[in-house]
Amino acid sequence: GENVEQHPSTLSVQEGDSAVIKCTYSDSASNYFPWYKQELGKRPQLIIDIRSNVGEKKDQRIAVTLNKTAKHFSLHITETQPEDSAVYFCAAARGGGADGLTFGKGTHLIIQP
Amino acid sequence: SAVISQKPSRDICQRGTSLTIQCQVDSQVTMMFWYRQQPGQSLTLIATANQGSEATYESGFVIDKFPISRPNLTFSTLTVSNMSPEDSSIYLCSVAGGNHQPQHFGDGTRLSIL
Repeated sequence: GENVEQHPSTLSVQEGDSAVIKCTYSDSASNYFPWYKQELGKRPQLIIDIRSNVGEKKDQRIAVTLNKTAKHFSLHITETQPEDSAVYFCAAARGGGADGLTFGKGTHLIIQP
Repeated sequence: SAVISQKPSRDICQRGTSLTIQCQVDSQVTMMFWYRQQPGQSLTLIATANQGSEATYESGFVIDKFPISRPNLTFSTLTVSNMSPEDSSIYLCSVAGGNHQPQHFGDGTRLSIL
């Protein structure tokens, strides 16, 4: 089955700086890669996703890049703000998302004021 | 996106008992899934809830322990059977409006077993 590795487990950055979280996946048949943000005690919320026919996608301060050859995808957050502090999960799935998601272990992002 | 309601939001149960968790969506959705999130950890897929047929379980999860129903396109239940302290987790349902649609999560059910 699919295996998703996520790094780092904890990331502390100064407010206004950029943050990068990296994930690798093992199943070459995976073609859908979402990112979720989970605040303490809350549900995971989708922040951005990318499909395997696209190399990069951007939404305001958030961007995701995908390297299918290396089976690697990354989340980039620019101009970080205190409200970006949360746990971020990457995930992978086959079937364009019709299959269930395999999640990475998560990254605790801390924005230092 | 769809409004997803899970009940109960939390419960404390005795070992050996069973609890049924409900997931209700305010619109018809193609895909419904159940996940488990153990304290401080990531999410693990339990099963895909198939409308009108048996759920598809992931490795390590079995129907006798986690029976799932999905009678229609807006509702599913997950039962945690014969509970032990190791079942203490947050159980989340997620839904996708159709193929190639993103998954969105309910608020989860926080379950504690004494």
